[in-house]
Amino acid sequence: DGGITQSPKYLFRKEGQNVTLSCEQNLNHDAMYWYRQDPGQGLRLIYYSQIVNDFQKGDIAEGYSVSREKKESFPLTVTSAQKNPTAFYLCASSRTGGSSYEQYFGPGTRLTVT
Amino acid sequence: AQSVTQPDIHITVSEGASLELRCNYSYGATPYLFWYVQSPGQGLQLLLKYFSGDTLVQGIKGFEAEFKRSQSSFNLRKPSVHWSDAAEYFCAAGSGGGADGLTFGKGTHLIIQP
Repeated sequence: DGGITQSPKYLFRKEGQNVTLSCEQNLNHDAMYWYRQDPGQGLRLIYYSQIVNDFQKGDIAEGYSVSREKKESFPLTVTSAQKNPTAFYLCASSRTGGSSYEQYFGPGTRLTVT
Repeated sequence: AQSVTQPDIHITVSEGASLELRCNYSYGATPYLFWYVQSPGQGLQLLLKYFSGDTLVQGIKGFEAEFKRSQSSFNLRKPSVHWSDAAEYFCAAGSGGGADGLTFGKGTHLIIQP
């Protein structure tokens, strides 16, 4: 089955520690995205990548970093510089170009930092 | 700035009744428009999308949406709701043909009364 996997589902960290969230897709999509979801806030774009070895900042990139070394993988690191890291993080992927580029979402990772 | 507004935070509907969820967008040009649904603690599932052409689009699970350029709206409808439709619904918009991320509304929480 093609899809997007995110691991782990729940993640707990102490304040001041960096943590990396995994996102893998086997849909052969060129583009991948990271969103953050907070209660009552909808989803906000953190980073996106349209091609391997290239990525762009979204609306709330401060305190986060990403890499795109492989087409299938787009890990997100939440650094200690992120002031409010506790949130639900969603990864997505899509085709690029053509007539449709709807995004497909993974199941999410809930990060709790104390 | 690009924005998507969902005016209703919560909506309660009786099972079997009709449903309309509102969505308004503010974009420089006609955006690509989407409706997603999210069950608690899960990722997002695409219900339907509008790119161009027929302004009434059909989606999965019996949902439809109508694009109205004059009102900058893309409202979601269903003629008869089922208890399983209880979820969070998100309207989203993107621009151009490139995969540069979506702007989401803050969501509408749908409650189904028996």
